[in-house]
Amino acid sequence: QQQVKQSPQSLIVQKGGISIINCAYENTAFDYFPWYQQFPGKGPALLIAIRPDVSEKKEGRFTISFNKSAKQFSLHIMDSQPGDSATYFCAASIIGNEKLTFGTGTRLTIIP
Amino acid sequence: KAGVTQTPRYLIKTRGQQVTLSCSPISGHRSVSWYQQTPGQGLQFLFEYFSETQRNKGNFPGRFSGRQFSNSRSEMNVSTLELGDSALYLCASSLNGRGSGNTIYFGEGSWLTVV
Repeated sequence: QQQVKQSPQSLIVQKGGISIINCAYENTAFDYFPWYQQFPGKGPALLIAIRPDVSEKKEGRFTISFNKSAKQFSLHIMDSQPGDSATYFCAASIIGNEKLTFGTGTRLTIIP
Repeated sequence: KAGVTQTPRYLIKTRGQQVTLSCSPISGHRSVSWYQQTPGQGLQFLFEYFSETQRNKGNFPGRFSGRQFSNSRSEMNVSTLELGDSALYLCASSLNGRGSGNTIYFGEGSWLTVV
């Protein structure tokens, strides 16, 4: 059972544009929603995370928008750069549980 | 500060053999988790250890096992390897394993190929 659905599977954005990746979850017990960035040959690295008590969190060019009623959250990358080209995973977990449930990933390519 | 260290980075095994992968967490981290990453199934949780005890287990067959030592280092073992076990195995560690918001750091993984 896939508890976190992620879209799109791949995304091509021009340099300077906005990259948007969406995730939806089913388990209402989830209360921690991180985004991970993975480059080829590397392990996933935490990019930004949010809890459901806030609707938006911004760190530099990266913003998470969270809609608790719709059970959806999204990652926005402003002023996208070629160095942002990577695979992005959304994830969810429950307080007291270290298990991360991941989305299927989005391969982002930023073109000049 | 050293990150999560996994060894070996690459290995090739024959179907039916067994394999042991090792993970050294970030110094001071007591929770260690293992994940399997494949193109078809994505990132899937295998198990989590805290203070040498398995606290959580994913939906994998009993051929997949793990353990944690008193220094928080961890190993996972896969017995009777199958072709479908070919994957990137990722180890992750966190400070005290007490849930959400506790940043989880991943190693670079061990690439296992079963032939």
